[in-house]
Amino acid sequence: GAGVSQSPSNKVTEKGKDVELRCDPISGHTALYWYRQSLGQGLEFLIYFQGNSAPDKSGLPSDRFSAERTGGSVSTLTIQRTQQEDSAVYLCASSLPTGANTEAFFGQGTRLTVV
Amino acid sequence: AQKVTQAQTEISVVEKEDVTLDCVYETRDTTYYLFWYKQPPSGELVFLIRRNSFDEQNEISGRYSWNFQKSTSSFNFTITASQVVDSAVYFCALQRDSSYKLIFGSGTRLLVRP
Repeated sequence: GAGVSQSPSNKVTEKGKDVELRCDPISGHTALYWYRQSLGQGLEFLIYFQGNSAPDKSGLPSDRFSAERTGGSVSTLTIQRTQQEDSAVYLCASSLPTGANTEAFFGQGTRLTVV
Repeated sequence: AQKVTQAQTEISVVEKEDVTLDCVYETRDTTYYLFWYKQPPSGELVFLIRRNSFDEQNEISGRYSWNFQKSTSSFNFTITASQVVDSAVYFCALQRDSSYKLIFGSGTRLLVRP
């Protein structure tokens, strides 16, 4: 598609279960980002990919969070042993390599609810 | 430290009113970029504008205009003759030079009533 695609759009999971969130970036965008949007914390950076490597994972809140990217395209954010505080909207964005005129384009997000 | 402050949590106006959304940023960098994004109820963040720190010219795009003032570290956004479709949450963000990370403000929810 033309834009960043995320799936699922909504996910309800039980506390303690693992979840996988998927992001399909815009074709040709080598940079990919995950952000989290929650009521108390606003929009927080989680992780950045350039190609398949993640030079910056500094925003991942705990070791229960991990992400990978394959083929320089699709990315998966995995949350293990989910906790209620993980409930948030997880937004993915992609862009051309950082530099001049590189704005990030965002997907519609995955709303995760941990019950 | 880098920081973006959007002091207005929520603004409500009647259609056709003009409205200004405030954004104040903090950075010690000399080169940086400022952004505005719109988040409609559908959830995605829609890019509106990107401005670099060396370009203080105000910009106008249709009913939207932006006022960048380095002296006050502000990058305010004005919607002229607001419309119901402008109802959304608006985020201001800061990006350091050659960085990829966007530092967002807390957002301003704009409600335009018919």
